[in-house]
Amino acid sequence: KAGVTQTPRYLIKTRGQQVTLSCSPISGHRSVSWYQQTPGQGLQFLFEYFSETQRNKGNFPGRFSGRQFSNSRSEMNVSTLELGDSALYLCASSLVTGGQETQYFGPGTRLLVL
Amino acid sequence: AQKVTQAQTEISVVEKEDVTLDCVYETRDTTYYLFWYKQPPSGELVFLIRRNSFDEQNEISGRYSWNFQKSTSSFNFTITASQVVDSAVYFCALSEWGGSEKLVFGKGTKLTVNP
Repeated sequence: KAGVTQTPRYLIKTRGQQVTLSCSPISGHRSVSWYQQTPGQGLQFLFEYFSETQRNKGNFPGRFSGRQFSNSRSEMNVSTLELGDSALYLCASSLVTGGQETQYFGPGTRLLVL
Repeated sequence: AQKVTQAQTEISVVEKEDVTLDCVYETRDTTYYLFWYKQPPSGELVFLIRRNSFDEQNEISGRYSWNFQKSTSSFNFTITASQVVDSAVYFCALSEWGGSEKLVFGKGTKLTVNP
């Protein structure tokens, strides 16, 4: 079974621009979560989507948004990029069956904001 | 509030040594889940093990073993007979039961296994 895929793998943007990252979960997984990883703050939860609805949200400004499509694929968008948004963005998917599930991560998208 | 602390920032060992990675967590929930993930230089987080709060049985899986103690809120992870390929950053994570898959991660422990 194919793993979680993320596109693009690398991205360079300039301040003020916006960016959209894409995540395709493992087949059959319905929950998709996004995390930001930086050297200073470590791994931080951005948000989680399940059945096209945002189920939980981390402590990030409104510039960070996401959505999930009917096929469970998810996108996250960052508007008005700041230098501090440079990070590795990781997507994870899980099979929701009623209990707590294990999240499986994709390879990440490395975003550099200049 | 949930919190995960990995006090060891970096560990360096020689191949074939055993190494234990420490993890201490804080949560107000009675039902929660603990995980260990490995992040090699490529960046992808690789799932290693998972433990439920209501199951304190410790297990061994190949060269991996873990010691879960609710009384001390610790979830330590041991690699036996370490290998160079074990070099990576290891993250301990906590997830509380209840309608979300959100993971709270520790800061990670960088393990270097030297030949």
